[in-house]
This record gives sequence, structure tokens and C-alpha cells, in this order.
Amino acid sequence: QVQLVQSGAEVKKPGASVKVSCKASGYTFTTYYMDWVRQAPGQGLEWMAKFNPSGGSTSYAQKFQGRVTMTRDTSTSTVYMELSSLRSEDTAVYYCTREGFGESLYYWGQGTLVTVSS
Amino acid sequence: DIQMTQSPSSLSASVGDRVTITCRASQSISSYLNWYQQKPGKAPNLLIYTASSLQSGVPSRFSGSGSGTDFTLTISSLQPEDFATYYCQQSYSTPRTFGQGTKVEIK
Repeated sequence: QVQLVQSGAEVKKPGASVKVSCKASGYTFTTYYMDWVRQAPGQGLEWMAKFNPSGGSTSYAQKFQGRVTMTRDTSTSTVYMELSSLRSEDTAVYYCTREGFGESLYYWGQGTLVTVSS
Repeated sequence: DIQMTQSPSSLSASVGDRVTITCRASQSISSYLNWYQQKPGKAPNLLIYTASSLQSGVPSRFSGSGSGTDFTLTISSLQPEDFATYYCQQSYSTPRTFGQGTKVEIK
């Protein structure tokens, strides 16, 4: 069965960077796009980026352009999302997802809480 | 960017009620509309994709309809486990965008 397992919670200071991992299993890693979505405390869902694990290309939401970097390790079927220049407003749960029919967000990781605090 | 507007933002309903949530896109998105359910402290769960296709394992009391700019999620008979927040999302173009969510609460 498809599983997306994310790395654990992080606490970072303003200005720092965070790198969240998402290990995929149960399917051919390079076949499906992956998207990242975040959710600030008590808020709705916010789409960040769409990543092609096969070629490494990415499409970002404009507000994250220049601050987000997506990479992958095909040998371990892992995708990494790095967010730099962190500020308090980046405090959120970050989810990796795998696309499915109609490019829906078919499978979700368990989420990674990133807390930005001085 | 395509704006997604859900209504209502919250509603109170009783077990057994028929519940309808609407989602409107700021431009045509064909049928590239998905619905998710989220319970507190959990990751969202896909319910409906491409406007009306039921995700495997999702109860048949959930249904979706619409195309173009106007879409509907219907729960035919609300069950206790359905109290949650529901989001629509367009997958027609990037950036993907979500509605603001509809919280379904117990009356």
C-alpha cells in the first residue's frame, strides 16, 4: 500500500532554514508528481509546490518562490522540501502528498510541524 | 490565480440530515475539482476527485457534482463520523488553490 512517511517536528529560529523529508513506498517513486501543502494553526490549507520526482522540475506558488527548494533521492524514494529565511508566519504543519486521478492529492503524509520561534 | 470560494464557512446539522456544501471557482476549471475531509489533528483525506468520482473506500453517502465554475458536495445522511472540515481544491492549473473550508458541526 502507498505510504508517505515524513520526518519529525522541528523548532527553528527566525532566519533559519528547515528541511523536511518525505519517504514514499508502495509504488514506483518516479511515476507520480508530489505536492506540498501547509496548514498554519487553526487555518486552512495552503498549496506550496508541485514536484516531479522523475526529472526534478518544480512549480512553486509565487509567495514561496526563492525560499523553497525541492530535491529528491531516487535511491531511497525520498523527497525533500527546504524552506529558508523562516519567519513566525511559517509556523505550520507541512504535508507531502502524492497526486492521483485528475491530479488530485490522493495520498497524504502524516504531516510535520515546523515551529518558528525566537 | 484561480480563487475558490466555499459556502457556507460553517454549518450546524443533526445526524441524518442532508448536507450540501458549495464551491465556486473564479474561472472555469472543467471538472478538475476535488473534495477533502479533515478531522482535528489529522491529515486531510481525499473524498471526491474530478468533481464526482468517489475515492475508493469513501461511503456512498458522499457525492459530488458540477463542472465549469460551480460545484457541490452532498452528504445524503450525516453520520457522527462526518463532523469535520471540508475543503474543495482545483487541480486545473498551478498554483493549486483551496477553498477556505467548511466546518460541519453537531447541532
